[in-house]
Amino acid sequence: AQSVAQPEDQVNVAEGNPLTVKCTYSVSGNPYLFWYVQYPNRGLQFLLKYITGDNLVKGSYGFEAEFNKSQTSFHLKKPSALVSDSALYFCAVRDQGTGGFKTIFGAGTRLFVKA
Amino acid sequence: DTGVSQDPRHKITKRGQNVTFRCDPISEHNRLYWYRQTLGQGPEFLTYFQNEAQLEKSRLLSDRFSAERPKGSFSTLEIQRTEQGDSAMYLCASSPGQSMNTEAFFGQGTRLTVV
Repeated sequence: AQSVAQPEDQVNVAEGNPLTVKCTYSVSGNPYLFWYVQYPNRGLQFLLKYITGDNLVKGSYGFEAEFNKSQTSFHLKKPSALVSDSALYFCAVRDQGTGGFKTIFGAGTRLFVKA
Repeated sequence: DTGVSQDPRHKITKRGQNVTFRCDPISEHNRLYWYRQTLGQGPEFLTYFQNEAQLEKSRLLSDRFSAERPKGSFSTLEIQRTEQGDSAMYLCASSPGQSMNTEAFFGQGTRLTVV
């Protein structure tokens, strides 16, 4: 069965500093991996995804994520954090081995960027 | 732009009552998903449709829950004999195409409170 772990409930970072939000996954086959962001009173918004190929994926708002197959990780990164990046971030995985479209989400990590 | 629309946005019901939620996906999106999200948790997969066919249903979904997508367009999620534990945000999402790697577009959710 597929699963996702986000080991940190909250990440605190100062504006202008780099940020990392961690994600590890477990699947039977190869993964499709996604990051979504949730702002208060708004729906989840897609940030980026890993399909295949280059391990460094670039997405919206300057975010990027690094896929590491040996460590089964897909950490979200940004070189310079903004206060407006403060939100709830979810990592999600879809297992290619199942052939289905079921997507499993992690519990989420709250990012707090301090001015 | 008509994104994923959910109705109602909020629902308060008494324990034991039945409730029904509606989701209108993005036009021409053939896949539709239902998730449940409780405070401090990530979205929990409930079920998904490919056009009008319900292809997978979570084992967490009791017999009190039923979802339909009769014409492959909008979908309804019904909860019978509601319990306080059903209180949550119910999220709908849709995605296009046949590929497993497409991201989902989420609605703002229906917040259910069972009193």
